[in-house]
Amino acid sequence: QVKLLQSGAALVKPGASVKMSCKASGYTFTDYWVSWVKQSHGKSLEWIGEIYPNSGATNFNEKFKGKATLTVDKSTSTAYMELSRLTSEDSAIYYCTPSHWFAYWGQGTLVTVSS
Amino acid sequence: DIQMTQSPASLSASLGETVTIECLASEDIYSNLAWYQQKPGKSPQLLIYYANSLNDGVPSRFSGSGSGTQYSLKINSLQSEDVSIYFCQQNYDSPRTFGGGTKLELK
Repeated sequence: QVKLLQSGAALVKPGASVKMSCKASGYTFTDYWVSWVKQSHGKSLEWIGEIYPNSGATNFNEKFKGKATLTVDKSTSTAYMELSRLTSEDSAIYYCTPSHWFAYWGQGTLVTVSS
Repeated sequence: DIQMTQSPASLSASLGETVTIECLASEDIYSNLAWYQQKPGKSPQLLIYYANSLNDGVPSRFSGSGSGTQYSLKINSLQSEDVSIYFCQQNYDSPRTFGGGTKLELK
């Protein structure tokens, strides 16, 4: 079955960067766009952007351009998201989810930005 | 960006009751709408896609309807395990956007 295993929680200082991973299994990784979604403080959800593993093509929510960088490693079926210049506003849970309809989700990576 | 307005923000209902959650899009999204359920500490789970298609494994007491800018999620015969937060999401245009969520509690 489809599984998405995300990297563990991170505590990072303001101004730093963090890179998280999403390892996919149970489907052909290169066939589906992988989206990343932010959830702040148990509130609603924000779509950050998506990457097509086969080509590396990306689409971003304008709000997150310059903040998020999406990459993949096809050899390990892993998607990555790096967030830069972190502030307290970036403290959130980040999810990865493949395909057009978000039928499968990773367990989420909690990022806490604090000095 | 397409704005998704969900109502109500919170809802209290009794076991066995039927509840309806509404979602209003700021423009026509041509049924490109999904509903998700999120339980505390868990990832969202897809319930409905294309406004009225039930995802695999989702109980038939859940149903979706609507078109244009107005959509709704109905839960028949409320069960205790339905206590969750529910989100709508449009998949018609980028960026994909979500409603603010509806917190469903038992009365």
